[in-house]
Amino acid sequence: EAGVTQFPSHSVIEKGQTVTLRCDPISGHDNLYWYRRVMGKEIKFLLHFVKESKQDESGMPNNRFLAERTGGTYSTLKVQPAELEDSGVYFCASSQDYGTLYGYTFGSGTRLTVV
Amino acid sequence: QKEVEQNSGPLSVPEGAIASLNCTYSDRVSQSFFWYRQYSGKSPELIMSIYSNGDKEDGRFTAQLNKASQYVSLLIRDSQPSDSATYLCAVDTGGTSYGKLTFGQGTILTVHP
Repeated sequence: EAGVTQFPSHSVIEKGQTVTLRCDPISGHDNLYWYRRVMGKEIKFLLHFVKESKQDESGMPNNRFLAERTGGTYSTLKVQPAELEDSGVYFCASSQDYGTLYGYTFGSGTRLTVV
Repeated sequence: QKEVEQNSGPLSVPEGAIASLNCTYSDRVSQSFFWYRQYSGKSPELIMSIYSNGDKEDGRFTAQLNKASQYVSLLIRDSQPSDSATYLCAVDTGGTSYGKLTFGQGTILTVHP
């Protein structure tokens, strides 16, 4: 079984530019989550999709962040325009069940650096 | 007060010893508790989950949960150098935020030969 795939693995962009991160969950996993870890801080929840619907987007920092999951398969997270404080590692995770009864499977993350 | 707090570490133990990792949480309605292991530059990997008070053992790992004290711990017996990693405590409060995990800052564990 293929795991959760994220790309790019690294991205360096200039302040004000746009970046799009992509996550391919494990096939058949309806639940998809985005998390972020900024330097020196804990991993923080951004949002949760159930299929193509946003179940919870309470962690999205501001309207510069836009997440989509067309067709309930892969998801994209766009940051536009990027700011310095957006730098960090963005993790995607997926699970088959609703909730975390059996835990998630995380992707390897995208390290975003905004300069 | 942080929602999930872990002992700050870093924690260093000799090979073969027991490593004890601790975590407290603030939300009394928390229902599910997880320990993830993260090697440097890698993704978090689930190693233990616990939902009921008491102990849960899986190989060299034992998770302990005390909901009255809002405390969860992870014991690693016969620690090996390959256990050296950052250990993350995560809590799911359930309810309307089903699936949303709140993480602690992590404890770096080093097992030296």
